[in-house]
Amino acid sequence: NAGVTQTPKFRVLKTGQSMTLLCAQDMNHEYMYWYRQDPGMGLRLIHYSVGEGTTAKGEVPDGYNVSRLKKQNFLLGLESAAPSQTSVYFCASSSISYEQYFGPGTRLTVT
Amino acid sequence: GQSLEQPSEVTAVEGAIVQINCTYQTSGFYGLSWYQQHDGGAPTFLSYNGLDGLEETGRFSSFLSRSDSYGYLLLQELQMKDSASYFCAVAPPASKIIFGSGTRLSIRP
Repeated sequence: NAGVTQTPKFRVLKTGQSMTLLCAQDMNHEYMYWYRQDPGMGLRLIHYSVGEGTTAKGEVPDGYNVSRLKKQNFLLGLESAAPSQTSVYFCASSSISYEQYFGPGTRLTVT
Repeated sequence: GQSLEQPSEVTAVEGAIVQINCTYQTSGFYGLSWYQQHDGGAPTFLSYNGLDGLEETGRFSSFLSRSDSYGYLLLQELQMKDSASYFCAVAPPASKIIFGSGTRLSIRP
């Protein structure tokens, strides 16, 4: 079992560029989440999904979009990147909300 | 809404015991989870308290008092590898959880 994987691991974007982060899980979990973590800070929820075909907004959804077309995949899109979106992005999945399994993270820099 | 408070930093000595506190304000009762995150790594789940009392998992224990909106994580026989950030999180059923801002634990030899 690979658990939760994230692609890519690192990325540098210029302001205004777009990109998609891919999260995949092989644990058959219903719930999937996208978080961002800024230096010395906690995790802030961007969007989440409680099942295939469903998505919902978290604490900081502005500037991001998500899709969950397949149960095992959860995509996070940045349509027009801004320097404020420089962060580490973590994906997580769970069968129960309180026990989440995290991917290794994507380190994104927007210049 | 929900908010959680935990100390930003705690320092302890190798082999000792340390307690990391978490107080929360929520609009209803939610269980309390704890996660560990090493520098440069991903958070990993440590424990969950759905009911009042103490849950023990090896050297780590977690406690919840719903009447006091308070919980703590207790780490015993501290090892250098326990140096990490620890996050409490409020866990409503069937959806998202809200994380505290984290406590950075530094361990001295």
